[in-house]
Amino acid sequence: DAGVIQSPRHEVTEMGQEVTLRCKPISGHDYLFWYRQTMMRGLELLIYFNNNVPIDDSGMPEDRFSAKMPNASFSTLKIQPSEPRDSAVYFCASRPAVNWGTDTQYFGPGTRLTVL
Amino acid sequence: KQEVTQIPAALSVPEGENLVLNCSFTDSAIYNLQWFRQDPGKGLTSLLLIQSSQREQTSGRLNASLDKSSGRSTLYIAASQPGDSATYLCAVVNTDKLIFGTGTRLQVFP
Repeated sequence: DAGVIQSPRHEVTEMGQEVTLRCKPISGHDYLFWYRQTMMRGLELLIYFNNNVPIDDSGMPEDRFSAKMPNASFSTLKIQPSEPRDSAVYFCASRPAVNWGTDTQYFGPGTRLTVL
Repeated sequence: KQEVTQIPAALSVPEGENLVLNCSFTDSAIYNLQWFRQDPGKGLTSLLLIQSSQREQTSGRLNASLDKSSGRSTLYIAASQPGDSATYLCAVVNTDKLIFGTGTRLQVFP
């Protein structure tokens, strides 16, 4: 398997523009997670899905952020409108649905977002 | 609310040294504790996973211990090499989420 795939790898946009980040999880994994990493706050969970259904979005910072998972092989994280403080690295991760005690998450390479 | 802290924040050592990275957490009701490695510009790679019923796990030159009662874990790296240079993150799972520490940035110089 190719692992978790994220696109684009780098995104530079201007304040106020819409940004869409994409993720393809590992085939057969039932859980998908979106994280944000910044120097100040470290790695934070934004939202996660189980079988394409959002389970916990308490980490989504504002209504400007939204995430969808229309099918088992694709998810998007959208920011509209974007702001400079949204600049960060956004990671997608997936895991199988077997056991929280023994199974790890597999991370994608991340999307580095810069909002000017 | 679970909080995970890592000490030190950064470490620079000569090649060959044995290292100890520390991780502490405030809520002992965890399913497991994991150590990840992050290389610049890349995602996270899982190194070791210690289940809540276990005390330690070993993989090659890496050994991780877990003391739930005191809310601590250590990652021991034996005979460090320049290729070990990276950021090391610990994370705990309680309920249904991974809660990450702030990381230790390690540099091993020749």
